[in-house]
Amino acid sequence: DAKTTQPNSMESNEEEPVHLPCNHSTISGTDYIHWYRQLPSQGPEYVIHGLTSNVNNRMASLAIAEDRKSSTLILHRATLRDAAVYYCILRDVRDFGNEKLTFGTGTRLTIIP
Amino acid sequence: KAGVTQTPRYLIKTRGQQVTLSCSPISGHRSVSWYQQTPGQGLQFLFEYFSETQRNKGNFPGRFSGRQFSNSRSEMNVSTLELGDSALYLCASSLGGSYNSPLHFGNGTRLTVT
Repeated sequence: DAKTTQPNSMESNEEEPVHLPCNHSTISGTDYIHWYRQLPSQGPEYVIHGLTSNVNNRMASLAIAEDRKSSTLILHRATLRDAAVYYCILRDVRDFGNEKLTFGTGTRLTIIP
Repeated sequence: KAGVTQTPRYLIKTRGQQVTLSCSPISGHRSVSWYQQTPGQGLQFLFEYFSETQRNKGNFPGRFSGRQFSNSRSEMNVSTLELGDSALYLCASSLGGSYNSPLHFGNGTRLTVT
């Protein structure tokens, strides 16, 4: 499985944008980039995914580098409820129907009031 | 739409006992997968079921087993419990028919083995 590298922890001020980086230098052409987050005392929650183009949804934006070796999850205006561990995960399209996710250690995001 | 429901939320067992955990997926989801989360190892994949068949299995001993029923509900069983089995057990459901359908997780069952 292609691996991802994320910073162990980050801090951000409330109501400021947050940029969470992820490196995936060994990504293959068939890997989708997925982001999940885990709030305290909850199971992981799907945030967003993309292949090549930047993606937006109601929760966040995903910016993907042109060479696809890195990506950035952007929370446009952080709130205290965004404090969580954020996981960047690669899913290979060739594993059609494979629902196995390989979680790394993720980035623990702390929001400062 | 109701989310993924896991029961019970908390369990305390002693070494050597067995335990069964239950997971009710989101209506219409046919895939159910199970994960173990510990502080030391993080989130690790146990196995996945689709239409009552196990499709994927992680690197866990045979003491960990599961099954899926015709209504897609799933159970996970751990026999001969060891102290190291203490963990948060999470189940996730998805449509299962597409590589990019997101997984929806429950809030887990916290198992403590004494």
